[in-house]
Amino acid sequence: KQEVTQIPAALSVPEGENLVLNCSFTDSAIYNLQWFRQDPGKGLTSLLLIQSSQREQTSGRLNASLDKSSGRSTLYIAASQPGDSATYLCAAPGGAQKLVFGQGTRLTINP
Amino acid sequence: KAGVTQTPRYLIKTRGQQVTLSCSPISGHRSVSWYQQTPGQGLQFLFEYFSETQRNKGNFPGRFSGRQFSNSRSEMNVSTLELGDSALYLCASSLEGGGGAQQYFGPGTRLTVT
Repeated sequence: KQEVTQIPAALSVPEGENLVLNCSFTDSAIYNLQWFRQDPGKGLTSLLLIQSSQREQTSGRLNASLDKSSGRSTLYIAASQPGDSATYLCAAPGGAQKLVFGQGTRLTINP
Repeated sequence: KAGVTQTPRYLIKTRGQQVTLSCSPISGHRSVSWYQQTPGQGLQFLFEYFSETQRNKGNFPGRFSGRQFSNSRSEMNVSTLELGDSALYLCASSLEGGGGAQQYFGPGTRLTVT
């Protein structure tokens, strides 16, 4: 049974810092992993989908890595901005047709 | 392309009532999944439909049901509402479905049960 954990649960940093969000999963037999962003009271916005064959995926200031052997993924945010404040969720396949989500990391970027 | 749309956006219901939520996927997407999000349990999978067939169901009581129409639009129904059903209900669409497929989420329906 897939379980996904995200650490830390909350993170507050000053604007301009580079930061790393962590995600771990128990079933390493996955072919990809997804990172999402959620603003308060809103739906999920897909940020990155990283295939197991890629190991890394980049979009603008975001970079996600995936290490199946260790059951870990990281989301790196460069030069953070106040607009990056949101909850970040990672999700791994949990068997047929479904995603298993972590509890999220609530990120606050202070101006 | 228009994104995933969900209606209504907000609902207030009383315990014991039933409710129907609607989801319209991105044009061309044939898979629709539903998730429940609560502060305590986070995001939990409800069910997934593909070409009008339910392919997978999460660990929720039978009060939660759904269906998908031939145009891929989906509805979920919750009968005999309980206070614990208060949550944000999110639907997601993808081309072919499957847990590893790129999922696109709608804005959600916020259900409050009083």
